[in-house]
Amino acid sequence: EPEVTQTPSHQVTQMGQEVILRCVPISNHLYFYWYRQILGQKVEFLVSFYNNEISEKSEIFDDQFSVERPDGSNFTLKIRSTKLEDSAMYFCASNQDRSTGELFFGEGSRLTVL
Amino acid sequence: SQQGEEDPQALSIQEGENATMNCSYKTSINNLQWYRQNSGRGLVHLILIRSNEREKHSGRLRVTLDTSKKSSSLLITASRAADTASYFCATKGVQGAQKLVFGQGTRLTINP
Repeated sequence: EPEVTQTPSHQVTQMGQEVILRCVPISNHLYFYWYRQILGQKVEFLVSFYNNEISEKSEIFDDQFSVERPDGSNFTLKIRSTKLEDSAMYFCASNQDRSTGELFFGEGSRLTVL
Repeated sequence: SQQGEEDPQALSIQEGENATMNCSYKTSINNLQWYRQNSGRGLVHLILIRSNEREKHSGRLRVTLDTSKKSSSLLITASRAADTASYFCATKGVQGAQKLVFGQGTRLTINP
């Protein structure tokens, strides 16, 4: 069964460092998303991406964040200068049909900022 | 904001019993979805109910939606130990919104 894959599964970084989280969405999906979940809290929307551009973003997704689809398969989230409060689980998701909205999530990348 | 509360925050029941979780939201929606998350894992889609539907079934799952009260419930019948997980409702707004807005979740523990 097709699945969304994310790498790395866990990354530890120093405050101020740049981090890139990678995702390979399901191949025939057209809409891509990043969500994050701080430990023990709810899942928060960061950004949605369609047709090679951001279609929607939250207040969390400030200038420190960027997304890119550098080739036909990868979808990346970059945090330019990490802060302690960026420590969270980051989930990539994708779907084929925006009208239904069912999302397929990856297993997540746990980011720990020290 | 679009999302409200889920209750209870935690629920512990015996295997074989039914589990009911509730979700409320604040704004008009296109659909409401329920997801399951095992500890430390990704979210898995369980069931979707559209704003013009009132009830939906999938296996041991039953979802209701009351748009007048802006609330939904998820019932898991004949619970199993493997149902132990966190359950989240998520709403998709109207007017072309793509994002899902998640609730706080209910931590369900099924005791064998």
